[in-house]
Amino acid sequence: EAQVTQNPRYLITVTGKKLTVTCSQNMNHEYMSWYRQDPGLGLRQIYYSMNVEVTDKGDVPEGYKVSRKEKRNFPLILESPSPNQTSLYFCASSLWTGVDQPQHFGDGTRLSIL
Amino acid sequence: AQSVAQPEDQVNVAEGNPLTVKCTYSVSGNPYLFWYVQYPNRGLQFLLKYITGDNLVKGSYGFEAEFNKSQTSFHLKKPSALVSDSALYFCAVRGYNTDKLIFGTGTRLQVFP
Repeated sequence: EAQVTQNPRYLITVTGKKLTVTCSQNMNHEYMSWYRQDPGLGLRQIYYSMNVEVTDKGDVPEGYKVSRKEKRNFPLILESPSPNQTSLYFCASSLWTGVDQPQHFGDGTRLSIL
Repeated sequence: AQSVAQPEDQVNVAEGNPLTVKCTYSVSGNPYLFWYVQYPNRGLQFLLKYITGDNLVKGSYGFEAEFNKSQTSFHLKKPSALVSDSALYFCAVRGYNTDKLIFGTGTRLQVFP
């Protein structure tokens, strides 16, 4: 089954404790992206990657890191999480054969930073 | 700069009635427009897209959307709402020659029996 898998689905942690949210897709997609969803703000892009070893900042990259060492994986790293990073996070992927490709989303990771 | 607006936070409709969820956009050049739906505890699912051609686009689950260039709108519609259509709906736009997809703030659709 074609899917985008995120782990963990839920995490409660404390300020300053490094964490990684993993994202993996099995569709051989070139393009992958991370979003955060906050009430009243919709989805905002954090980082995206157009292929292996190519990453770019989205609209809200501060406090986050990403890497794309393999095509299927695109982990999101919070080196020193803070309470304002409490949010619902989504990983997405799509073919990069044109701007008309819809994105496939994971089921989300709800992070609470205390 | 690209932007998309969903002017209604919530839309309430009775089952069997037609529904409309509104979306307006601002983009340089021709827009690529998308609708996604989000059910509780799930990621967004693609519903339909407008790239070019016919202004009326048909998508999944009986939804359709009408592209109106003069009004820069892309409203989502369904002739007869179901209770199971209750969800959060997002409009998104991507401008020509850009790799960024901009999402609206979402509209919660509530269909009452």
